[in-house]
Amino acid sequence: AQSVAQPEDQVNVAEGNPLTVKCTYSVSGNPYLFWYVQYPNRGLQFLLKYITGDNLVKGSYGFEAEFNKSQTSFHLKKPSALVSDSALYFCAVRDADTGRRALTFGSGTRLQVQP
Amino acid sequence: EAGVVQSPRYKIIEKKQPVAFWCNPISGHNTLYWYRQNLGQGPELLIRYENEEAVDDSQLPKDRFSAERLKGVDSTLKIQPAELGDSAVYLCASTRGGSTDTQYFGPGTRLTVL
Repeated sequence: AQSVAQPEDQVNVAEGNPLTVKCTYSVSGNPYLFWYVQYPNRGLQFLLKYITGDNLVKGSYGFEAEFNKSQTSFHLKKPSALVSDSALYFCAVRDADTGRRALTFGSGTRLQVQP
Repeated sequence: EAGVVQSPRYKIIEKKQPVAFWCNPISGHNTLYWYRQNLGQGPELLIRYENEEAVDDSQLPKDRFSAERLKGVDSTLKIQPAELGDSAVYLCASTRGGSTDTQYFGPGTRLTVL
């Protein structure tokens, strides 16, 4: 079985400050990890993914995430937050060693960036 | 490149009524997913298609839900009859079919069952 935990329901940060949205995962085999963002009344928009290789993954809109195998974490980061980054963020995982392609999502973290 | 298209965007029905959702994936994408997103939660898979074949439908409540992808392109998800607990956002996603491909999501259909 695979699972994702996003321990914070909401993260508040001031514009211009760095932000971190936390994610930990559990899979039997090797993980493929994803971050998506959801704006109100919109579908999920892909930000970045880790498949293999460099543990630091860079994605869209200045976001990056670091894969840490020993801590089973894949935290999303951005050096300088923008008000427009305010949205709902989802971490997702799938087991690379099975044929099941479905993603398992966390429950989401709402990011509020204050001006 | 056009994204995943879904319709309708919103649907309000009375319980026990039928309802259908339509999805057109990104051109050339062979794999299509239907997910359900309950309020305050992440999406959960209902069914996955490889071309016209349903290859993962273990989470689809088959007593009332059905899906089809007859020509391996667009897909329809149906609920009959709808229950109050079916109120959710139904999301469609697609990929080319590779094992590491990114799933691209449509805007979803928000279903309200009264």
